[in-house]
Amino acid sequence: GAVVSQHPSWVICKSGTSVKIECRSLDFQATTMFWYRQFPKQSLMLMATSNEGSKATYEQGVEKDKFLINHASLTLSTLTVTSAHPEDSSFYICSARDPQTAALYEQYFGPGTRLTVT
Amino acid sequence: AQKVTQAQTEISVVEKEDVTLDCVYETRDTTYYLFWYKQPPSGELVFLIRRNSFDEQNEISGRYSWNFQKSTSSFNFTITASQVVDSAVYFCALSELPGGYNKLIFGAGTRLAVHP
Repeated sequence: GAVVSQHPSWVICKSGTSVKIECRSLDFQATTMFWYRQFPKQSLMLMATSNEGSKATYEQGVEKDKFLINHASLTLSTLTVTSAHPEDSSFYICSARDPQTAALYEQYFGPGTRLTVT
Repeated sequence: AQKVTQAQTEISVVEKEDVTLDCVYETRDTTYYLFWYKQPPSGELVFLIRRNSFDEQNEISGRYSWNFQKSTSSFNFTITASQVVDSAVYFCALSELPGGYNKLIFGAGTRLAVHP
């Protein structure tokens, strides 16, 4: 089945630094990837939709200059949290669509990345 | 506007009890998909089921069953003879096709604790 990986699985960084999270589709080419954020004991909230070769579409209230998304290839999307602050500490989850085998509704989720900003 | 409501924040049951997790959704579209996901303590989302808006047949998979009722906009999930391994957070989600990118709208989640 379709597998999505994320790296790193967890990261601790100091306030003011930037951290990059990778999302890879391992056995399929993903034209569209999604980035979600989940605060403790809360639901998943979509941050942005990432399309290969074009600019990401951000959800209302998500700062595009703070959360940089790059989808330069069909198997890799990256989320960079710039100038991270403790309030950015969260669980970041990506998902991907496989246009070859799945209909528009299918998303395959990565295992998530836990970010802690000290 | 699209919305998914999971009114039960936390449920606690004893092993072997049956438990039903409620999900109510709102959408203006006639074509949509509903999902249930399980999130164990590890955090990784586990896909459980997908149902499209034109298929109101109930589904059973082992100890899991789902009841989809368009008339009440509900898509409830029942676990029969619950086990400790069922302890997790369960999310109901809605996806609409119009607009292309099939955004998933998640409910708040229901935390299920199954005690031995």
